[in-house]
Amino acid sequence: SQTIHQWPATLVQPVGSPLSLECTVEGTSNPNLYWYRQAAGRGLQLLFYSVGIGQISSEVPQNLSASRPQDRQFILSSKKLLLSDSGFYLCAWEPGAINEQFFGPGTRLTVL
Amino acid sequence: AQKITQTQPGMFVQEKEAVTLDCTYDTSDPSYGLFWYKQPSSGEMIFLIYQGSYDQQNATEGRYSLNFQKARKSANLVISASQLGDSAMYFCAMREGDSGAGSYQLTFGKGTKLSVIP
Repeated sequence: SQTIHQWPATLVQPVGSPLSLECTVEGTSNPNLYWYRQAAGRGLQLLFYSVGIGQISSEVPQNLSASRPQDRQFILSSKKLLLSDSGFYLCAWEPGAINEQFFGPGTRLTVL
Repeated sequence: AQKITQTQPGMFVQEKEAVTLDCTYDTSDPSYGLFWYKQPSSGEMIFLIYQGSYDQQNATEGRYSLNFQKARKSANLVISASQLGDSAMYFCAMREGDSGAGSYQLTFGKGTKLSVIP
């Protein structure tokens, strides 16, 4: 069966510090991968998606970036965090054919 | 204009009763998919049910069913026999386009907080 992991689970970072959130999927190959952000009390906002290694599409211009160095690994990064980057970050995967997306446990980021 | 509208910020339901969570959507694409997700306090988004725009019958998954009214552009979630564990945020989402050639983006509504009362 497929599983999706995210770490860390929680993170508190000062403004201006770098960020690296990792997402890995097990039990599948060539999945589509997604990064979403959820602000407090809000729905999800798509940040990035990837249909293959090295292929990244950005939905929202910002100081965040994403990379996919391996088939089942998706990384969200920032060189300098802003206060507005605080939120709940969710990684999701889906089979190559578009279907429902399955989400990881999330990372709660607080920028102080 | 919002693509997904959930007009109920919060709902209460008595345990063992049925509850309907509303969702309306806006699209001009003839092909689309509608999804419902549950988000408990732990934060994880749990997929519940899917309805394709060309599906003839309403989707059902256990105690969850989707009341799909295409002409009204509504996709309400019905939870039968509510349980205490059903207390959570519920999000309606839409993807536009055909499978394999459509948009990769899921557009989410703002959610409905369901509280099940013992």
